[in-house]
Amino acid sequence: GAGVSQSPSNKVTEKGKDVELRCDPISGHTALYWYRQRLGQGLEFLIYFQGNSAPDKSGLPSDRFSAERTGESVSTLTIQRTQQEDSAVYLCASSPYRGSNTEAFFGQGTRLTVV
Amino acid sequence: DAKTTQPTSMDCAEGRAANLPCNHSTISGNEYVYWYRQIHSQGPQYIIHGLKNNETNEMASLIITEDRKSSTLILPHATLRDTAVYYCIVRAGTSYGKLTFGQGTILTVHP
Repeated sequence: GAGVSQSPSNKVTEKGKDVELRCDPISGHTALYWYRQRLGQGLEFLIYFQGNSAPDKSGLPSDRFSAERTGESVSTLTIQRTQQEDSAVYLCASSPYRGSNTEAFFGQGTRLTVV
Repeated sequence: DAKTTQPTSMDCAEGRAANLPCNHSTISGNEYVYWYRQIHSQGPQYIIHGLKNNETNEMASLIITEDRKSSTLILPHATLRDTAVYYCIVRAGTSYGKLTFGQGTILTVHP
């Protein structure tokens, strides 16, 4: 694909329900990142995948949040028992692995609203 | 990764150069300076990055001081479409991934 694709673009869910957000990175990109952006706020790092290495989960805010990635392809971010404070835009990015000297390409995000 | 400091907001007239400063006084030798921007309701977009030499691409120029404690992003001829939040990020050469975004500078380009 031409860029990072995220789905759905918008999701409204009831408090307490589980949600899954999907990210399709650019083909061949080994690194994948998830960020959260609350309304009017900056980007908050959640999790980072690099190839077959153990993911950096240091940004996940609670054990209700988890993410998976199969190989160098699709990633899903799962939020269990959603709360109103989970309402935000969830952004995914990918980059080719050439050491650290690489740019990250972001998707358009999934806007999650918990009611 | 080193912390950065940017002004909260800046204004620029259309057609003029926009000069966005960033302080990164605790930067270490293997850390790169990256600039991204986020236009309203879109995902962030990479602009440019550098280590110690000045860099230029089709979007902008990056000027890094000799001591590397600060840098300036220059948009040579700002347009209304350049109105966005601009983020200056410092990342170590071994910190693959995990770009840490601060609050950035809100640049408003006005007619």
